[in-house]
Amino acid sequence: KAGVTQTPRYLIKTRGQQVTLSCSPISGHRSVSWYQQTPGQGLQFLFEYFSETQRNKGNFPGRFSGRQFSNSRSEMNVSTLELGDSALYLCASSATGGSNQPQHFGDGTRLSIL
Amino acid sequence: KNEVEQSPQNLTAQEGEFITINCSYSVGISALHWLQQHPGGGIVSLFMLSSGKKKHGRLIATINIQEKHSSLHITASHPRDSAVYICALNYGGSQGNLIFGKGTKLSVKP
Repeated sequence: KAGVTQTPRYLIKTRGQQVTLSCSPISGHRSVSWYQQTPGQGLQFLFEYFSETQRNKGNFPGRFSGRQFSNSRSEMNVSTLELGDSALYLCASSATGGSNQPQHFGDGTRLSIL
Repeated sequence: KNEVEQSPQNLTAQEGEFITINCSYSVGISALHWLQQHPGGGIVSLFMLSSGKKKHGRLIATINIQEKHSSLHITASHPRDSAVYICALNYGGSQGNLIFGKGTKLSVKP
């Protein structure tokens, strides 16, 4: 069974631009969560999608958004990029996303803002 | 105050040593996860615990719900165990999102 796939692996953008990251979950998994990892803040929860609906959201500004398609693939979008958005963005999938389920992580997209 | 505290932050060990990483938390949880992150960035889920103890190969994870404390042990450590180990919590219910500790960076020297 293929694991969680994130594309692209690396991305360089400049301030003010926008970016879209993609996550394909494990086949059969319907929940996709997104996380941001920075040296200063560590890992932080962005949002979770289940059956094309955002079910939970972390404490991030509205510049961060996402969506999920009918095949469970998910995208996250960051608009008006700031230097502080430089981070490793990880997605994780699970079968139904409830608690007490292991999450399977992708290798992440490393975003650098110049 | 962070909801999840890990100790130590950094740990250097000699190959073969027994290693313990600790995680304390201050909130009610439904499950606690131990994750491993290698320098490339990808995260591997090692254990998910809601009570007791689990063992996988040389790794052992324990949790004491009453004391709000969990430990990850590595027996007969090896340089390939060098990684960042992260403790993460599930609050429960439909909220499957994780709350993370800051991680423990382990370096095992040959």
